[in-house]
Amino acid sequence: AQSVTQLDSHVSVSEGTPVLLRCNYSSSYSPSLFWYVQHPNKGLQLLLKYTSAATLVKGINGFEAEFKKSETSFHLTKPSAHMSDAAEYFCVVSDQGSDYKLSFGAGTTVTVRA
Amino acid sequence: EAGVTQFPSHSVIEKGQTVTLRCDPISGHDNLYWYRRVMGKEIKFLLHFVKESKQDESGMPNNRFLAERTGGTYSTLKVQPAELEDSGVYFCASSQGQRRTDTQYFGPGTRLTVL
Repeated sequence: AQSVTQLDSHVSVSEGTPVLLRCNYSSSYSPSLFWYVQHPNKGLQLLLKYTSAATLVKGINGFEAEFKKSETSFHLTKPSAHMSDAAEYFCVVSDQGSDYKLSFGAGTTVTVRA
Repeated sequence: EAGVTQFPSHSVIEKGQTVTLRCDPISGHDNLYWYRRVMGKEIKFLLHFVKESKQDESGMPNNRFLAERTGGTYSTLKVQPAELEDSGVYFCASSQGQRRTDTQYFGPGTRLTVL
């Protein structure tokens, strides 16, 4: 079965500094990987997705992630944090043979200090 | 274009009562999914509809949960009778197709508290 591990449950950054959210996956095949974000009282929003094309994936709001097969990682980064980036972030993998079935990591809560 | 909507946003019920959650997908999306996040745990897949048919209900925890999608539009998820461990946030999502390239759009969730 596919699974993802988000290595940090909480990340705190200062506004204007880089953000790094770490995600490792386990999969016996080439997975599809996603990052979703949930702001308070809002639905989960797709930030970006990797589906076996370019390994460096650019998403919305300045976020990007790099698929590294050798390290089984899919870390999310942003060069400069903004106050509006404060939210919970989920690393997600699709299930083998059932592309529609998403498996979520435990989530990383990001706080941004002024 | 309206996104996925869910009703109610919050529900507080007593153990043993019945609760029905509703999800309205994005218009034209044949695929509808239910997920659940129990306190302190990951978001877990519950089931998948294609139009009005249940394609996969492998994640449904037990027979106290009944999902329907009559007419292939909105969906309901009924919990009867509710137990304490059913507390959590129930998310609905919809997509046009069911391939890995088809984005699932999520609603804001319904927070269910069973006392």
